[in-house]
Amino acid sequence: GAVVSQHPSWVICKSGTSVKIECRSLDFQATTMFWYRQFPKQSLMLMATSNEGSKATYEQGVEKDKFLINHASLTLSTLTVTSAHPEDSSFYICSAASGRTNQPQHFGDGTRLSIL
Amino acid sequence: GQQLNQSPQSMFIQEGEDVSMNCTSSSIFNTWLWYKQDPGEGPVLLIALYKAGELTSNGRLTAQFGITRKDSFLNISASIPSDVGIYFCAGVGGLSYNTDKLIFGTGTRLQVFP
Repeated sequence: GAVVSQHPSWVICKSGTSVKIECRSLDFQATTMFWYRQFPKQSLMLMATSNEGSKATYEQGVEKDKFLINHASLTLSTLTVTSAHPEDSSFYICSAASGRTNQPQHFGDGTRLSIL
Repeated sequence: GQQLNQSPQSMFIQEGEDVSMNCTSSSIFNTWLWYKQDPGEGPVLLIALYKAGELTSNGRLTAQFGITRKDSFLNISASIPSDVGIYFCAGVGGLSYNTDKLIFGTGTRLQVFP
């Protein structure tokens, strides 16, 4: 149980393209979803927290107009990297939390984004 | 962003050896978590610690929540090749460990030689 699916797993696109990444909780309802970014050989850095039906809360230094987050349902959150540039190339990982007692966050398998 | 200090940064050990890594913070955390990440994948939860002083095992893994709530350690006994990967600690500052954000450690890269 507690499976989180991310799609796509790998994206390569030209500079200036907008890219959408999906995060789905397959067998539970996620009241809260988190988006992280991980550069090579570094740790995971939280970008934003999203709660279903409300606006996402962004961490300091993360541009909300650059990284659009939508959490329209209890099983789906999307991250759109608008007008992506090479410096946006990274590994993007989502996690989902059910909000139930003794149920920690579960992570997706990540999306590797490469901007040419 | 805020990060936890994790040490050592990397370890190269022989199969069968025991491993110990730790995580320290200047802030108090209410929950400590340990994750393992394989290349190109998301982190997988190994152990969760919810109370100061708590010692928890999961197979060959043992982790403890420091009494000051500012540190935690993870031990792996009798390492095997599939233990290879990056190990991250993560702390939760709020009271709701399942909906509050995680602060991740800097990671320990483990390499096991047969």
